[in-house]
Amino acid sequence: GDSVTQMEGPVTLSEEAFLTINCTYTATGYPSLFWYVQYPGEGLQLLLKATKADDKGSNKGFEATYRKETTSFHLEKGSVQVSDSAVYFCALQTGANNLFFGTGTRLTVIP
Amino acid sequence: ETGVTQSPTHLIKTRGQQVTLRCSSQSGHNTVSWYQQALGQGPQFIFQYYREEENGRGNFPPRFSGLQFPNYSSELNVNALELDDSALYLCASERDAGGSTDTQYFGPGTRLTVL
Repeated sequence: GDSVTQMEGPVTLSEEAFLTINCTYTATGYPSLFWYVQYPGEGLQLLLKATKADDKGSNKGFEATYRKETTSFHLEKGSVQVSDSAVYFCALQTGANNLFFGTGTRLTVIP
Repeated sequence: ETGVTQSPTHLIKTRGQQVTLRCSSQSGHNTVSWYQQALGQGPQFIFQYYREEENGRGNFPPRFSGLQFPNYSSELNVNALELDDSALYLCASERDAGGSTDTQYFGPGTRLTVL
């Protein structure tokens, strides 16, 4: 069945450090891929998405590229800020229209 | 701000009781999905409603049921509550599920505690 495997956390970085959160997936067909972010006490917010192979999603300095050959969608940011501290979820969506989420990676950025 | 609201914010129930959670979707969104997020886990799909009909269901028992209304509001009902039902319940609205993959916009969630 469809599933998402996400890098385990928690991840602690200093401000301005480079961030990578790994995500790989298993899916039948051709899924759309997403990164959602959950700030403390809030619901999920869409961070970025990619709908086909080799697409790059980007938003707020975050990027992820849909790699069909490695079934991956790793999240990257060149310079993290304290305000980026949150839980990040990788997710996929197939024709069934429901989202499959990874377990989440908690990021803490320290000044 | 996603334009999706949920009520109540928090709720405490005892085992065996019934609960109704509410969601108001973005105007014009015909599709609503409900997810259960246990502590420290990713959200798990419960079911989806499209134009007031159930349009897919995850691995949840029949005591989890839903309704969708023409005014873009919806409900999640859970009967015979169990301790393991304690979780954050999220609803997500989508413009139109009809065969396409669109973006889902999430509400802030309802935190349910079952004692």
